[in-house]
Amino acid sequence: SQQGEEDPQALSIQEGENATMNCSYKTSINNLQWYRQNSGRGLVHLILIRSNEREKHSGRLRVTLDTSKKSSSLLITASRAADTASYFCATDAIDYDYKLSFGAGTTVTVRA
Amino acid sequence: ETGVTQSPTHLIKTRGQQVTLRCSSQSGHNTVSWYQQALGQGPQFIFQYYREEENGRGNFPPRFSGLQFPNYSSELNVNALELDDSALYLCASSFAGADTQYFGPGTRLTVL
Repeated sequence: SQQGEEDPQALSIQEGENATMNCSYKTSINNLQWYRQNSGRGLVHLILIRSNEREKHSGRLRVTLDTSKKSSSLLITASRAADTASYFCATDAIDYDYKLSFGAGTTVTVRA
Repeated sequence: ETGVTQSPTHLIKTRGQQVTLRCSSQSGHNTVSWYQQALGQGPQFIFQYYREEENGRGNFPPRFSGLQFPNYSSELNVNALELDDSALYLCASSFAGADTQYFGPGTRLTVL
């Protein structure tokens, strides 16, 4: 079973618009990470937010974490065609700190 | 590019056969994890190796086994292949205790 669930499953936006996707999880975590995957290839690490942090920025990415609601959001600002990919949240659960648990992902399509 | 390499890129096997997938860790990383990603799903944790010992295992049967070598490279072996084993197999390397795992490009296994 998957720890995280992303919402929406798919998202289509125009170049230059912002893309927001959400992740919910079930158990207490050490941290939450977001990864990107292009066309069924390897995952690229985007950003990590620890359980004691509420917001983090990296370039055009903004991540929030609400541990009381067990949820996170990823915002990509000023999207580009190259942002077209699947995005996954992954949690590092407190009881299982040797593994990452992934959701099913959000597929983002950026139209030129 | 993460520095994690996997071979082969693609593989086709028939049901009942055995397969070995290989992973070379990023330089300096002493921990390797393997994940299975079925089409349209997020990666599922198979197991992790640290200093040549299995350090944790997900919900996969014993016919999934692994090895880690002194140079920290790793193998994933799957015996008695089943049709449902068709998936993208990802390995990820990290420093022991580190939060971020760095993924290879994956091996696409098709079982006919």
